[in-house]
Parts: sequence; structure tokens; C-alpha cells
Amino acid sequence: DAGVTQSPTHLIKTRGQHVTLRCSPISGHKSVSWYQQVLGQGPQFIFQYYEKEERGRGNFPDRFSARQFPNYSSELNVNALLLGDSALYLCASSQEGGQVNSPLHFGNGTRLTVT
Amino acid sequence: AQSVAQPEDQVNVAEGNPLTVKCTYSVSGNPYLFWYVQYPNRGLQFLLKYITGDNLVKGSYGFEAEFNKSQTSFHLKKPSALVSDSALYFCAVRGPHGSSNTGKLIFGQGTTLQVKP
Repeated sequence: DAGVTQSPTHLIKTRGQHVTLRCSPISGHKSVSWYQQVLGQGPQFIFQYYEKEERGRGNFPDRFSARQFPNYSSELNVNALLLGDSALYLCASSQEGGQVNSPLHFGNGTRLTVT
Repeated sequence: AQSVAQPEDQVNVAEGNPLTVKCTYSVSGNPYLFWYVQYPNRGLQFLLKYITGDNLVKGSYGFEAEFNKSQTSFHLKKPSALVSDSALYFCAVRGPHGSSNTGKLIFGQGTTLQVKP
């Protein structure tokens, strides 16, 4: 079975631009989460979607937004990019939203560089 | 607030020796704890979790973790390290119970494990 797939794998943008990152969950998984991993740090939670509704939101500015589609794939959008947005963006899927019986399965991430 | 701490930036061990990667936690309510591993330029892979029950949890690739409530620790262990175990290891705790963020994981800073031949 295919794992979590993310596209693109790498991206270079300039300050002030907008970016859209895409994620396809494992088949049958209804929950998608997004994490930001800055070099040398642990992943930081951005959003979780379950059954196409926002389930949770981390401490990120309104420049960050996301949505989940009827096929459970997801997009993460970041507006007005800043240098500090440079990071590895990880998407993770799970069967349910609560982590108890269904751990997260991560994609390989999108490496975003803002210049 | 939920948090985890990994006190060691790096752990070095010789191949064949036992390894321990340390993690302590702070939670409100019952802790749901996880270990993930990350290889270079890759996403995170789930190793094991503690929800309830036995304090010794067995996971993937021969790893296990010991939950200690009195010491608020959840250390990752393996009896005999392999060179291929060299990677970045993250401890994590689930978001607060009864909040809108029960589905999120709060990660530690990570510990680099270096296993030398």
C-alpha cells in the first residue's frame, strides 16, 4: 500500500510569495495533520483535519491555512512568506483523530526554502 | 500544559551494546506517549506507544520503552544496538484531554543516536 505522499518534495520561494503544499493520506485514513519542522527542532503542530473539518490548530499566524477535500487529501497554504517559514513541512495521516488506537503515519515532507 | 523533554542532544553507543534514549514528560491527566524515529531527509516513523497497561512497551525493530509514572519518564531502550539504528529519535505526548487538540502530538527536541561499529 502507498504511504502518505507529499508534493512537491522541494520548493524555493521568495519573501512575500504564497505557497501551496499537498498531501495524500494512506487509503482509508480520514485524519490529516500538518507539522512544521525547523532544522534542529522537533515537529510543531500546525493543523489537524478529520472528516474534512478542522479538528485542531496550533500556534501559527493566520497566514497559515489548510483544508481537506472529500477524498481526504489536504492542502496547506502559507501566504506572505517570511524567511522564518523555511522548514520541512510534514503531513501525517491516521485512521481516527485521537491518536489512541491509530498512530500517525508521516510523509517524507516538503522542504520549503524562503529566500 | 503537555510537554516532553529529551535531555540529551546526542547519544553515542558501540554496536552490540545496549542503548537508552531518555525522555521525561509533563502532562495533565493520563499520559499518552510515543516514540518516533527520523532518518535523514525522511518523515517520521512510528516506533511504539504507551496508552495504558504494562509499563514495558515493545515496538518496532527491537525497540522497547519503559514507562515510569513516579519519575515521569518514558525512556527508549534496545538490548543490542545496530549501526543502522543511527538516526534522530523523538519522544512525543498527545495533546490535552478534553481539548480540541487531543489529536496533536507535542514533540521533544530530538536525540541523535550514533551507533559506531
